[in-house]
Amino acid sequence: NAGVTQTPKFRILKIGQSMTLQCTQDMNHNYMYWYRQDPGMGLKLIYYSVGAGITDKGEVPNGYNVSRSTTEDFPLRLELAAPSQTSVYFCASSSVRFGEQYFGPGTRLTVT
Amino acid sequence: QKEVEQNSGPLSVPEGAIASLNCTYSDRGSQSFFWYRQYSGKSPELIMSIYSNGDKEDGRFTAQLNKASQYVSLLIRDSQPSDSATYLCAVNIAPRAGGTSYGKLTFGQGTILTVHP
Repeated sequence: NAGVTQTPKFRILKIGQSMTLQCTQDMNHNYMYWYRQDPGMGLKLIYYSVGAGITDKGEVPNGYNVSRSTTEDFPLRLELAAPSQTSVYFCASSSVRFGEQYFGPGTRLTVT
Repeated sequence: QKEVEQNSGPLSVPEGAIASLNCTYSDRGSQSFFWYRQYSGKSPELIMSIYSNGDKEDGRFTAQLNKASQYVSLLIRDSQPSDSATYLCAVNIAPRAGGTSYGKLTFGQGTILTVHP
C-alpha cells in the first residue's frame, strides 16, 4: 500500500516556465489537498478537492490550477513560474470531512 | 489573532523529561484536532487526533483538549532524542461568511522541539 505518492521529488524551473506536480493516492480517499510550505512556516492550503470533478481554492491559489478527473489523481499545475513559488509542495488525502490527512513525501521546487 | 497559534519555540528539553506543546485556536465550533510531527526535510506525519474534551493517550504521547478554553496540547513523556522535530497543530476552522470548508484544516506555524541527551 503506497499511500500518497508525489512526483517529482525535486525540480528547478526558470521564471516563466510551467510544470505539473503529480499526486496519486491508492486509499480511495475522496478528499485531497495541495499545500505549500515555506522555510520555517506552517502549511498553506493552495487547492482542495472533495471528489472527482469537484475542486475549490484554498488560501493561496494564485498562480496555480488543479483538476480532479479520477479519485486517485490530483495534479497541480504551475503556470508562468515565479520566484515566489519556490517552496516545498505537499499533497494530502483524507477519507472523511475534517478527518485525518495523510501526506505525500513532497516536491521541492526552486524557481530561478 | 491567528486562527491556530502554537507556543513559540524552539523548545529544548533533556532526555527523559516531559515535553509540553500548546496550541490555541480561534473557532469555538472546531471539531477536529490533530498533531503532526515533521522531521527536517520530510513530510508531516500524523501522531495524534482528538475530537472530544479530555485526554487521549497513545504510548508516550498524550493529547489534551479543552474546547471551552479553545486549546489543545500535546505531552511527550520520557522524551527521546528521536522526538526532536517540528510539531504542527492542525484544527478545522469554520470559514468566514460566504466561504466553504469541505474538511479543510488550518495548521499552526509549528514548534521546534529539541531533546538533548
